Amino acid sequence: EPEVTQTPSHQVTQMGQEVILRCVPISNHLYFYWYRQILGQKVEFLVSFYNNEISEKSEIFDDQFSVERPDGSNFTLKIRSTKLEDSAMYFCASSDRSNTEAFFGQGTRLTVV
Amino acid sequence: AQKVTQAQTEISVVEKEDVTLDCVYETRDTTYYLFWYKQPPSGELVFLIRRNSFDEQNEISGRYSWNFQKSTSSFNFTITASQVVDSAVYFCALTENSGYSTLTFGKGTMLLVSP
Repeated sequence: EPEVTQTPSHQVTQMGQEVILRCVPISNHLYFYWYRQILGQKVEFLVSFYNNEISEKSEIFDDQFSVERPDGSNFTLKIRSTKLEDSAMYFCASSDRSNTEAFFGQGTRLTVV
Repeated sequence: AQKVTQAQTEISVVEKEDVTLDCVYETRDTTYYLFWYKQPPSGELVFLIRRNSFDEQNEISGRYSWNFQKSTSSFNFTITASQVVDSAVYFCALTENSGYSTLTFGKGTMLLVSP
């Protein structure tokens, strides 16, 4: 069964460092998303990506964040200068069309120390 | 703005009990979509169901059933004869037709099923 794959599963980084979280969405999907979940809290939307550009972003998605689809399969989230409060589980998701169910990856746990 | 409220933070039941997880939503759109996701202890988010605002029929899938009531803006989820493997955090979510399918999640309900 096709699935969304995220790497790495866990990343520890020092404050101020740049990190890139990687995702391989389901191959025929057109809509891609990043969400985050701070430990014990709800899942929050960061950004959606369609047709090679950002279609929506939340207020959390400020200038330190960027997304890219560098080739036909990968979808990345870059955090330029990490802060302690960026520590969270980051989920990538994809869907094949608008307003249908999004399928989530297993998440990348980011720990900023 | 859209909002999803899951008032139950944590529910504990004994195996074989039935349990209902509540979800109340707010939206200005007349067309919207409601979802339930399960997050087991391993952390991934597992899709359970999607329902559009024009379909108020209740749905049953095995031990799971969903009750959508537009009049009360609720989309409740019932697990019949709960099992230990049902222990997880359950999230209700909403997306409006005007968006790009971005999900607004509730805070989740942690369900603990003990043997």
